[in-house]
Amino acid sequence: QQQVKQSPQSLIVQKGGISIINCAYENTAFDYFPWYQQFPGKGPALLIAIRPDVSEKKEGRFTISFNKSAKQFSLHIMDSQPGDSATYFCAALDQNSGYALNFGKGTSLLVTP
Amino acid sequence: KAGVTQTPRYLIKTRGQQVTLSCSPISGHRSVSWYQQTPGQGLQFLFEYFSETQRNKGNFPGRFSGRQFSNSRSEMNVSTLELGDSALYLCASSLIFGNGEKLFFGSGTQLSVL
Repeated sequence: QQQVKQSPQSLIVQKGGISIINCAYENTAFDYFPWYQQFPGKGPALLIAIRPDVSEKKEGRFTISFNKSAKQFSLHIMDSQPGDSATYFCAALDQNSGYALNFGKGTSLLVTP
Repeated sequence: KAGVTQTPRYLIKTRGQQVTLSCSPISGHRSVSWYQQTPGQGLQFLFEYFSETQRNKGNFPGRFSGRQFSNSRSEMNVSTLELGDSALYLCASSLIFGNGEKLFFGSGTQLSVL
């Protein structure tokens, strides 16, 4: 049973545009929400993460928006670049259990020149 | 320092065979977790090892097993392979046990079962 639902499955954005990927969860015990970026042939790498005590976190061109009441969070990539083309996974963690990240199914992002 | 190293990168096996995958964590990391990645299910947690002991296990059948050695290197074994076991198997290491926040993933072993 997928505990984190991610959409869209794929996304095509023009260079310079904004890429938006959305995730939703049901388990209110989740208290850590990371985003991972995966390039072909590589493992996922932590991109940015947020805790539910803040509504937004920004690191460079990457921003997480978090809506605790709606149990939703999203990744915004500003000024998208061809080098951002990758698969993005959202995830959620219950820090009381601590060990297993619950991943969304991933979004394949293609940024066209 | 070197990242998480997984070997081999690619494997082709036939149904019914067994397979062993290897993972060397980042130097100093003592916890190793394994995840299965498939297009249909995404990434799913298999198990976590710390100090040579399996600490946590995901919802996978007993055909999936693993172990960890005293140098923190880990192996994962899948017996009686099924077509549905075809996947990218990812190993992740962290400094301490149960720290899902600080996972560093290897590039994975791509297993194809024919």
